Amino acid sequence: ELKVEQNPLFLSMQEGKNYTIYCNYSTTSDRLYWYRQDPGKSLESLFVLLSNGAVKQEGRLMASLDTKARLSTLHITAAVHDLSATYFCSPINTDKLIFGTGTRLQVFP
Amino acid sequence: GAGVSQSPRYKVAKRGQDVALRCDPISGHVSLFWYQQALGQGPEFLTYFQNEAQLDKSGLPSDRFFAERPEGSVSTLKIQRTQQEDSAVYLCASSSWTDTYEQYFGPGTRLTVT
Repeated sequence: ELKVEQNPLFLSMQEGKNYTIYCNYSTTSDRLYWYRQDPGKSLESLFVLLSNGAVKQEGRLMASLDTKARLSTLHITAAVHDLSATYFCSPINTDKLIFGTGTRLQVFP
Repeated sequence: GAGVSQSPRYKVAKRGQDVALRCDPISGHVSLFWYQQALGQGPEFLTYFQNEAQLDKSGLPSDRFFAERPEGSVSTLKIQRTQQEDSAVYLCASSSWTDTYEQYFGPGTRLTVT
């Protein structure tokens, strides 16, 4: 059974700082997705990582995938308040997405 | 259509009532998924359709849950004899057959069982 663990679960960081969220998953998956969820809202797609070594960047966020280590990272550069949200990584298992509990990020001045 | 739509957005049901939740996927999307998200948790897979065929229903928590997509477009998730533990947000997602196979989520239906 594919399980997902993210750490940290909660992250409070100051504006302007950098941090990395880690996503470990338990069995082989050849694709991984990162989503953002604001309180009371649905999931917004951030990144699609399709192969080992894939790296994608959008603004202050950069995601990477190491399928051999079953690890994905989401790096935040120079955080701003607008990045406050819950972030989910989700590897795919026979077409269905598997989610962990996510990382709740709060950015303060 | 712009994106995945779901209705109703909010539903309050008394315990024991039946409810029906509707999902309109993005036009032309072959695959449709239902997920359940409890408060403070990540979404959990319920069931998956490819066109009108229900290919995986392994996540449905009990036989009170039933989903259909009779014409390969709109889908309905039905919950019979609702229980308090059914209270959650029900998310629908759709995807097309591209190399990314990205799933696009609707706004969800928040179900509260009293």
